[in-house]
Amino acid sequence: EIVLTQSPATLSVSPGERVTLSCRASQSVGGDVAWYQHKSGQSPRLLIYGASTRATGIPARFGGSGSGTEFTLTISSLQSEDFAVYYCQEYINWPVFTFGPGTTVDLK
Amino acid sequence: EVQLSESGGGMVQPGGSLRLSCTASGFIFRSYAMSWVRQAPGKGLEWVAAVAGGGSLTYYADSVKGRFTISRDNSMNTVSLQLNSLRVEDAAIYYCTRSGGVPFDYWGQGTLVTVSS
Repeated sequence: EIVLTQSPATLSVSPGERVTLSCRASQSVGGDVAWYQHKSGQSPRLLIYGASTRATGIPARFGGSGSGTEFTLTISSLQSEDFAVYYCQEYINWPVFTFGPGTTVDLK
Repeated sequence: EVQLSESGGGMVQPGGSLRLSCTASGFIFRSYAMSWVRQAPGKGLEWVAAVAGGGSLTYYADSVKGRFTISRDNSMNTVSLQLNSLRVEDAAIYYCTRSGGVPFDYWGQGTLVTVSS
């Protein structure tokens, strides 16, 4: 069973700041990692797949990197609409999936 | 336009059953695996179950294996989740989502399942 760990659990930031979220897998998942944004009362939104490919319509300020067991989601300049919970997900054993516990990005 | 719409949520007692449905439109349904993902109150996202495009292959999270059954009807563009032997910890918003070459690119609005005596 693959376990994903995300850090930090909560990140308090101001608009305009650069944000870096981490996701670590308990074993190698290659590049099969996606990132989702989830706001309260809404459905989750796919941001990144294949570790670094932005999904359709996702702004360029969102970037993903990493491979193997270490992955990063970067928001280059946080906008007010970006306050949300961010989840990483591995899918190396498609269509079996695992989500990380999430990182909450809130207002400092 | 791709659309996924869930229905069937409600309140049920522990040990009870419920059947969730998801109706899809706007894409070639049989070409996509379909999954259910849930979020319990105050918790994160949890993948629950998936069914391959043809419908014959199904996959489950350990937490629901033996209690939940996923199925699909490609003639009706629907995917269902039968929830049996429900527990308090199964209470959640259940989302329907698709995966093709890209994981979970479209989601439904979710349907709420409450398990309480």
